[in-house]
Amino acid sequence: DQQVKQNSPSLSVQEGRISILNCDYTNSMFDYFLWYKKYPAEGPTFLISISSIKDKNEDGRFTVFLNKSAKHLSLHIVPSQPGDSAVYFCAASWGGSQGNLIFGKGTKLSVKP
Amino acid sequence: EAGVTQFPSHSVIEKGQTVTLRCDPISGHDNLYWYRRVMGKEIKFLLHFVKESKQDESGMPNNRFLAERTGGTYSTLKVQPAELEDSGVYFCASSQEPGTGGTDTQYFGPGTRLTVL
Repeated sequence: DQQVKQNSPSLSVQEGRISILNCDYTNSMFDYFLWYKKYPAEGPTFLISISSIKDKNEDGRFTVFLNKSAKHLSLHIVPSQPGDSAVYFCAASWGGSQGNLIFGKGTKLSVKP
Repeated sequence: EAGVTQFPSHSVIEKGQTVTLRCDPISGHDNLYWYRRVMGKEIKFLLHFVKESKQDESGMPNNRFLAERTGGTYSTLKVQPAELEDSGVYFCASSQEPGTGGTDTQYFGPGTRLTVL
């Protein structure tokens, strides 16, 4: 039973536009959420995170929004660049610190020039 | 600063054989994690070391998998005997202990792709 779900396996966006990647979770114990980016033949690279006490965290072109009542988070990339093309994984953990991460299946983002 | 390294990058073995994967964490990182991604599925947690001690091994699939971290530095993950369903990419990650002055973000290695024929 998947606790973290990324229902869109792929997303295609034009360069310069906004990319919105979505993630849903089922476990209300999760209190820390992360996004990782993964290029082929590389390991996941940490992108941005958010604690459950916040509803938004911004870092440059990347913003993560958390809606606890809906058990939903999203990653916004503005503006999207071709170098952003990668697989994006949503992950969650509990206990107030990063322990074992529970990952979604990932969304492949393609940013077209 | 060197990142997390894993060896080998790719291993092809036959069913029933033994394979040992190695992970070298970032220097000074007490936490070491193993994860696995089977093709098309999510990355799944296997186990977590704090220094040389197993903090959580609840994700280990069965007793054919043995992880060690002698001396609290590098770690090995041995699969013996390997089965077809063990094929996948095995990732290692490391992080600092919270409160040690750094973040506890998990940094991942490039992974070892294991193919069992």
